[in-house]
Amino acid sequence: EIVMTQSPATLSVSPGERATLSCRASQSVSSNLAWYQQKPGQAPRLLIYGASTRATGIPARFSGSGSGTEFTLTISSLQSEDFAVYYCQQYNNWLLFGQGTRLEIK
Amino acid sequence: EVQLVESGGGLVQPGRSLRLSCAASGFTFDDYAMHWVRQAPGKGLEWVSGISWNSGSIGYADSVKGRFTISRDNAKNSLYLQMNSLRAEDTALYYCAKGDTGFGVVSTIDYWGQGTLVTVSS
Repeated sequence: EIVMTQSPATLSVSPGERATLSCRASQSVSSNLAWYQQKPGQAPRLLIYGASTRATGIPARFSGSGSGTEFTLTISSLQSEDFAVYYCQQYNNWLLFGQGTRLEIK
Repeated sequence: EVQLVESGGGLVQPGRSLRLSCAASGFTFDDYAMHWVRQAPGKGLEWVSGISWNSGSIGYADSVKGRFTISRDNAKNSLYLQMNSLRAEDTALYYCAKGDTGFGVVSTIDYWGQGTLVTVSS
């Protein structure tokens, strides 16, 4: 059984700074890894799929990297609208989400 | 524009049943896998179940296997989730979600509905 672990649980960053979020799989998921953003009261939004490909309409400040078991979502210069909860999801063996990272304003 | 509209949520007693529906529009429904994902109040996302375009491949999370049944009616552009033997821990907002693949079930999710709330309580 695959386990997805995100770190940190909460990340405090100032607007304009860089944010780095991590996701680890307990076994290889190849590049079958997606990232989602969820704001309060809203449904999640797909940001990244295939570990590093931005979804349609996603700004270039969002980037994903990694393969196998270690993945990273980087937001290069935080905008006010980026403060939200971020989830990774593997789709190598059915679907499984990580527990989320809350990105908050410092 | 892709639209996914869930219905059928509500308050139900433990051990009882409930059937959720999702009406899809704005895309060719029978070209894509579909999923149910839930979110307990204040908690993270949990994939519940997924179904391929032709219902030939179906998967469930261990937490609902044997109690929930996913189905679809491509003629009606509709997705369903039959939930039996409901438990308090099934209380959540249930999202209908569109997979981004026409092959099998396993995929990312590129569109989400707004969810329907299921509360299991006596």
